[in-house]
Amino acid sequence: EADIYQTPRYLVIGTGKKITLECSQTMGHDKMYWYQQDPGMELHLIHYSYGVNSTEKGDLSSESTVSRIRTEHFPLTLESARPSHTSQYLCASMTGGYTGELFFGEGSRLTVL
Amino acid sequence: RKEVEQDPGPFNVPEGATVAFNCTYSNSASQSFFWYRQDCRKEPKLLMSVYSSGNEDGRFTAQLNRASQYISLLIRDSKLSDSATYLCVVPTGGFKTIFGAGTRLFVKA
Repeated sequence: EADIYQTPRYLVIGTGKKITLECSQTMGHDKMYWYQQDPGMELHLIHYSYGVNSTEKGDLSSESTVSRIRTEHFPLTLESARPSHTSQYLCASMTGGYTGELFFGEGSRLTVL
Repeated sequence: RKEVEQDPGPFNVPEGATVAFNCTYSNSASQSFFWYRQDCRKEPKLLMSVYSSGNEDGRFTAQLNRASQYISLLIRDSKLSDSATYLCVVPTGGFKTIFGAGTRLFVKA
């Protein structure tokens, strides 16, 4: 089993609220990723990090922000949630090199009313 | 053209059938390839990795054709529990990993 954890698993929140989705891994992986996935649709990369204090935006434009202050922690923040942010957010980390396996957390399912 | 393209599916097959999915990729420099399985409303999980010409694990066989830039996944003797979405995954050689859109498989009794 992969040691990567996401909280909360499910969140229902009103429009305009600030939210932070937590992601932690205990495998010491340098590379971490956030993907967004709507039901039945493909995964879209929204943020990635290749180490502490390094973050990059992914292919899908997102109003969210991320930070990487510690290797094991890669939180995603939405300053003002909107219904269009309703989706599943999946955090992942990767083993060494760039040919490694991706390990996924169980996901955070966000619903914005 | 997308960097990774998969058979759109869905594939509806009876139990015991053999089914094959194809995936094409555009980055000729890619060295490794992965098949992930994703169950409904769950996270993707690694099914097989492919570094050379192919890999076999029980009922599952993955084959790589570098000249034509495609990877295939063959499932023999399909089980009901094989019903899922199968994702073709190609690392780009940088820090990104490109996911295909997925091929949905339904195995029926």
